[in-house]
Amino acid sequence: EVQLVESGGGLVQPGRSLKLSCLASGFTFSNYGMNWIRQAPGKGLEWVASISSSSSYIYYADTVKGRFTISRDNAKNTLYLQMTSLRSEDTALYYCARRGASRWYFDFWGPGTMVTVSS
Amino acid sequence: DIQMTQSPASLSASLEEIVTITCQASQDIGNYLSWYQQKPGKSPQLLIHSATSLADGVPSRFSGSRSGTQYSLKINRLQVEDTGIYYCLQHYSAPWTFGGGTKLELK
Repeated sequence: EVQLVESGGGLVQPGRSLKLSCLASGFTFSNYGMNWIRQAPGKGLEWVASISSSSSYIYYADTVKGRFTISRDNAKNTLYLQMTSLRSEDTALYYCARRGASRWYFDFWGPGTMVTVSS
Repeated sequence: DIQMTQSPASLSASLEEIVTITCQASQDIGNYLSWYQQKPGKSPQLLIHSATSLADGVPSRFSGSRSGTQYSLKINRLQVEDTGIYYCLQHYSAPWTFGGGTKLELK
């Protein structure tokens, strides 16, 4: 069974940093691209970042480019999102999701980890 | 960036009714369109990918179609468990972009 479990969320002050993790199990992690998607409270879904299986290709939304860094450790079956210079508008539930077999749709999602940016 | 315009924003329908939700892409995205269902307090679940392909385990009453740059999600014979918010996503080119969502309720 595919499982994705995010961790690392919490309350952080504006301008500070936070690192999220997503532990994957139930599939060969190194064969799949991975993604971060967020959802602000009461709002819709916003794609944040994607990374290919071997980290060769990385994509970011303009809203986080230069502040967030997506990475992965295939030996640890773990996806990361390093977030710096956090803003109040980054407050959201952050999901990790697996890339589909053929294209960049998202076939499995974790339950999410909440990030709140506030002083 | 490719814009996805989803309609309606909300929808109230009766049990067993046929429901259709649409997404209009701002440019050609081929068949690179997927649909997701999100229930309250839960993470989204993939329903349809590549415009018309049903994801594993999704009931056959869900179907997707395409006409040019307009994409539709159809639910045949609406069930209680189909309530929630539905999103489309273009997965043709980065940045991948979601539609604004459609909240589906039972009448």
